[in-house]
Amino acid sequence: GIQVEQSPPDLILQEGANSTLRCNFSDSVNNLQWFHQNPWGQLINLFYIPSGTKQNGRLSATTVATERYSLLYISSSQTTDSGVYFCAFRGDSSNDYKLSFGAGTTVTVRA
Amino acid sequence: DGGITQSPKYLFRKEGQNVTLSCEQNLNHDAMYWYRQDPGQGLRLIYYSQIVNDFQKGDIAEGYSVSREKKESFPLTVTSAQKNPTAFYLCASSIGTGFQPQHFGDGTRLSIL
Repeated sequence: GIQVEQSPPDLILQEGANSTLRCNFSDSVNNLQWFHQNPWGQLINLFYIPSGTKQNGRLSATTVATERYSLLYISSSQTTDSGVYFCAFRGDSSNDYKLSFGAGTTVTVRA
Repeated sequence: DGGITQSPKYLFRKEGQNVTLSCEQNLNHDAMYWYRQDPGQGLRLIYYSQIVNDFQKGDIAEGYSVSREKKESFPLTVTSAQKNPTAFYLCASSIGTGFQPQHFGDGTRLSIL
């Protein structure tokens, strides 16, 4: 199956700092999504980004499908950005319905 | 507001007992999914359903059962055959099972008494 590597595994930020999270894939993927899981377990959709760049407030994401990676940018981080960030994807087959998740990046933003 | 509602938020199971987790959506989505999350890990697919009265096993279906009698509802039963049921369970839905985003409920935490 397709392998995904999320980096870094852990990130500690001072409030106001910027950061970049990365997902690398071993093969072509579809349905690339970025999620934020907050400390209460809620899984929040950040971006659906199979290719290109999107921005939503302080967050933006870029997927370069041909080079098999996706980036999530957090600017001017706030304590509410703490939690685990997952990238998730579907494989190339139209019969593969599940989202496969990376191991996540745990982000801690300190005041 | 449209969304996915999971209940209860917390659930406790006794040995040998079956328990059912509820998932309801009012997004008019055709496809629904159940995932399991263990501490410190990502999500794994248990079952999915593309349409009413149809469902398919995911990667870790053993010890679980589902039904899809209505488009809005996709309950998950954790049976006594599931020997390690303690986990966080998340329900999701999407417009179809094509290449479209999945949206998640707030989850149910299941623990063993």
